[in-house]
Amino acid sequence: EPEVTQTPSHQVTQMGQEVILRCVPISNHLYFYWYRQILGQKVEFLVSFYNNEISEKSEIFDDQFSVERPDGSNFTLKIRSTKLEDSAMYFCASSGTSPLHFGNGTRLTVT
Amino acid sequence: DQQVKQNSPSLSVQEGRISILNCDYTNSMFDYFLWYKKYPAEGPTFLISISSIKDKNEDGRFTVFLNKSAKHLSLHIVPSQPGDSAVYFCAASVDTGRRALTFGSGTRLQVQP
Repeated sequence: EPEVTQTPSHQVTQMGQEVILRCVPISNHLYFYWYRQILGQKVEFLVSFYNNEISEKSEIFDDQFSVERPDGSNFTLKIRSTKLEDSAMYFCASSGTSPLHFGNGTRLTVT
Repeated sequence: DQQVKQNSPSLSVQEGRISILNCDYTNSMFDYFLWYKKYPAEGPTFLISISSIKDKNEDGRFTVFLNKSAKHLSLHIVPSQPGDSAVYFCAASVDTGRRALTFGSGTRLQVQP
């Protein structure tokens, strides 16, 4: 079965540094998403992307965050200047006509 | 933000018995509901969904029931198997689920052999 793949599985960075989390969605899917889960908390929606633009974003997705689909296969989430509170599991997801399929996540640790 | 609530953080059942996981929501605009299962170190895996025009949807051992007047849904797993042990998340959305999903806090199911 096709999968959403995310790299790296674990990223450690220092506060104030930029990070880019990478995702390869399922190939025939047209809708792409980022969610995050802070340890011990709920899975939270960040942003959805369709037709090369953001279709919806949450309050969490402020100016420090950006998304990009630089080519036909990758979907990236950039955090410009990381804060301690950005430490979380970040899940990429994609969908077509089916419900969202999630990747296994990137654990981001900001020190 | 408590729009989707799963009030039971954990549930333990015997293998072969029924597992019933519950979920409540407050936003009357939600019209599409999903259940996801999550194992440690993996992303959520879609299990089953239901739209607000239905009150029941069945897929093998999994059945989801929706009570719109009570703003309540439940997931029934019959019979439960040890491999079902995982965290189960209820999620809700408007407009077929392509919009943002709002997740509950999850229920950890333990199926005892």
